[in-house]
Amino acid sequence: KAGVTQTPRYLIKTRGQQVTLSCSPISGHRSVSWYQQTPGQGLQFLFEYFSETQRNKGNFPGRFSGRQFSNSRSEMNVSTLELGDSALYLCASSHGTSGGVQETQYFGPGTRLLVL
Amino acid sequence: AQTVTQSQPEMSVQEAETVTLSCTYDTSENNYYLFWYKQPPSRQMILVIRQEAYKQQNATENRFSVNFQKAAKSFSLKISDSQLGDTAMYFCAFMKPLMYSGGGADGLTFGKGTHLIIQP
Repeated sequence: KAGVTQTPRYLIKTRGQQVTLSCSPISGHRSVSWYQQTPGQGLQFLFEYFSETQRNKGNFPGRFSGRQFSNSRSEMNVSTLELGDSALYLCASSHGTSGGVQETQYFGPGTRLLVL
Repeated sequence: AQTVTQSQPEMSVQEAETVTLSCTYDTSENNYYLFWYKQPPSRQMILVIRQEAYKQQNATENRFSVNFQKAAKSFSLKISDSQLGDTAMYFCAFMKPLMYSGGGADGLTFGKGTHLIIQP
């Protein structure tokens, strides 16, 4: 099976712009979760989507949003970019149903976002 | 809220040695999952091992094994016969099961990581 893919891999934006990141899960996985990784804050949970619905979200401002399509692909959008949004954004997929195997998350290679 | 603590920011061992990475966590939950992920310089996060809290038997995956002490809230990772390719950041992570998280996955709670260097 192909792994989780993320596009683009690298992105440079300026303050005030918006950005959209894409994540394609492992075939058969219906849950996609997004994480932000920074040197200062470490890895933090942004939100999780399952069957096109946001099921849960972490403690991030409303500038961070996402969506999921019927094929389980997910996009994350950040509006009005700030310097502090520079980070590695990781998405992870799982089956999304109850059970240890079904809930285990597998990560993509990440998108490195630099905000200037 | 859960917290995960990795007290060793960096460790260095010789190739073929055995190394143990420490992780403690704090939770009021009785059922949960614990994971070790590795992140090599490529930044790809790779699952190493999973432990389900209701299982008393420690998980093993080839050269990787854990020592899960539920009462002590400790979850250490042992790497046997370490190899140069094991050089990476290692993250310990906690997750509440779906059935206990109010309908949606809470997400993984990660520790700050341990940078493991395998010397030739």
